[in-house]
Amino acid sequence: KQEVTQIPAALSVPEGENLVLNCSFTDSAIYNLQWFRQDPGKGLTSLLLIQSSQREQTSGRLNASLDKSSGRSTLYIAASQPGDSATYLCAGLSGSRLTFGEGTQLTVNP
Amino acid sequence: DAGVIQSPRHEVTEMGQEVTLRCKPISGHDYLFWYRQTMMRGLELLIYFNNNVPIDDSGMPEDRFSAKMPNASFSNLKIQPSEPRDSAVYFCASGTGGSSPLHFGNGTRLTVT
Repeated sequence: KQEVTQIPAALSVPEGENLVLNCSFTDSAIYNLQWFRQDPGKGLTSLLLIQSSQREQTSGRLNASLDKSSGRSTLYIAASQPGDSATYLCAGLSGSRLTFGEGTQLTVNP
Repeated sequence: DAGVIQSPRHEVTEMGQEVTLRCKPISGHDYLFWYRQTMMRGLELLIYFNNNVPIDDSGMPEDRFSAKMPNASFSNLKIQPSEPRDSAVYFCASGTGGSSPLHFGNGTRLTVT
């Protein structure tokens, strides 16, 4: 059974700082790894999807990496902004089941 | 594209009452998922459908929960009878398969008193 863990649970940084969010998973036979953002009272918004055959994906200031052999993924956010404040969740797809981590709550202070 | 639409946004009901949550997936998406989110357990998959057929309902907590997808544009999740421990945010999500991202609705916040 896939288990997904995210560290840290919460992170507070000053505006402009580069930061890394970590995600680890137990089943290396994942099909893909997805990163989502959740704002308070809202649903999840997909940020990046990395296929199992890929090493990384980039979108604007976001870069996600995937290392299947070590069971790890990272989300790098460059030049953080207050608008980046949200909860970030990673999820691994094994079979047709997407298993989520518990999320990292990010606060970017002006 | 209006995205995944869920209704109601909030539901407050008394223990023992029947609750129905509704979802309209994005047109053309052949996968539909129901998730439940709580502080204690995070996001849990309850059930998912492919082409309107339930594929995996192993996450449905008990017989009090049921879900149907009568056609490609509608699904509902029913709880009967509801209990206070069912209080959570219920999300519906749709997608087109493993190579594409999942799209979530804004959820239904259920409170059972």
